[in-house]
Amino acid sequence: QQPVQSPQAVILREGEDAVINCSSSKALYSVHWYRQKHGEAPVFLMILLKGGEQKGHEKISASFNEKKQQSSLYLTASQLSYSGTYFCGTENNAGNMLTFGGGTRLMVKP
Amino acid sequence: NAGVMQNPRHLVRRRGQEARLRCSPMKGHSHVYWYRQLPEEGLKFMVYLQKENIIDESGMPKERFSAEFPKEGPSILRIQQVVRGDSAAYFCASSPTGFGGEQYFGPGTRLTVT
Repeated sequence: QQPVQSPQAVILREGEDAVINCSSSKALYSVHWYRQKHGEAPVFLMILLKGGEQKGHEKISASFNEKKQQSSLYLTASQLSYSGTYFCGTENNAGNMLTFGGGTRLMVKP
Repeated sequence: NAGVMQNPRHLVRRRGQEARLRCSPMKGHSHVYWYRQLPEEGLKFMVYLQKENIIDESGMPKERFSAEFPKEGPSILRIQQVVRGDSAAYFCASSPTGFGGEQYFGPGTRLTVT
């Protein structure tokens, strides 16, 4: 099954923070986060492996709660360049593919 | 280090024709994945290949679609007798390690069937 992302859309003012959630009904091995701008390829942000880790990348960080099968992406002090659609992709213990959520549309306004 | 390359970037085919989409993975990557994306939707897995082997094709329609990743040259996704419903963006991604490893996407091929 496809992981569920929430919210589906969010509008921010520059400098505001946002949290995007990704939830799966299956046991997960890893969670991958991507950002896609309209008409472009998804850009890899980060991967979190089971073990309950948290990762950071400039002002974008993420956490992975293996027990709850959930991951959250944290965007702090948002910039205009953060606008786009964010996808989580999950990988279960059987491997072989990423199953992507429906995406969260983020718009950052000046 | 060049990224994942796909060609053509745009492809127009009439119903019933064949479409061939090519993907060259990043240097050093031997794992290739193909995904399809319909407008305003998420990415759907189609097939996972390593050199000369199809590892998982569970996301690929049983008919008209095939994929290969030969020992030499790019990976190819082939769609025979295209129909309007095949119109979509097709992305390939490559990975250095496969399972548990990051996947890097190419720019995609936008297929339009008229």
